[in-house]
Amino acid sequence: GESVGLHLPTLSVQEGDNSIINCAYSNSASDYFIWYKQESGKGPQFIIDIRSNMDKRQGQRVTVLLNKTVKHLSLQIAATQPGDSAVYFCAENMDAGNNRKLIWGLGTSLAVNP
Amino acid sequence: DAGVTQSPTHLIKTRGQQVTLRCSPKSGHDTVSWYQQALGQGPQFIFQYYEEEERQRGNFPDRFSGHQFPNYSSELNVNALLLGDSALYLCASSPLHNSPLHFGNGTRLTVT
Repeated sequence: GESVGLHLPTLSVQEGDNSIINCAYSNSASDYFIWYKQESGKGPQFIIDIRSNMDKRQGQRVTVLLNKTVKHLSLQIAATQPGDSAVYFCAENMDAGNNRKLIWGLGTSLAVNP
Repeated sequence: DAGVTQSPTHLIKTRGQQVTLRCSPKSGHDTVSWYQQALGQGPQFIFQYYEEEERQRGNFPDRFSGHQFPNYSSELNVNALLLGDSALYLCASSPLHNSPLHFGNGTRLTVT
């Protein structure tokens, strides 16, 4: 079947280090990818997105890389802070213009040690 | 500017009962989607509403139904509750085209 999955279910980093969270997807028809952050007791919070016609996109302290050849997505967080501790989900979508059906991975828990 | 708001925040129901969850989208958003998130898992798409009609549906039984009102707010109804319906129910809104979903903080439903 088609799915989005994460390589690492948990990640522990030191404050100030860079974090990399990986995600594999299997649906080659997906053309839109999103990273969400979910803190305990809250809904997912949009971090950054990327469309399939790009291979890199940068935001504030975050960078998303897309490798369509190997169907791999990664989220890089620079200078990780304690407030970055959360579960991170990647999600994929086809026909991002009209389609609101996101397919989500299981999530990676990021723990930032002070 | 309020984001997506959901009510109630927590709810406890008994098997066989019915439940209605409510969602007000972010200002300027006309599309509402509902997701079910079991503990420790990613959200699962239930359905999407636009112009007061269900536009897409995920793999959920007919016990799950919804409604969208002229002011774009939405309700999720679940009939004949099962223990397995216990989850966090998330509402997300967006403009219809080319924009990421904005999520509310969800309604935690516990079925006993």
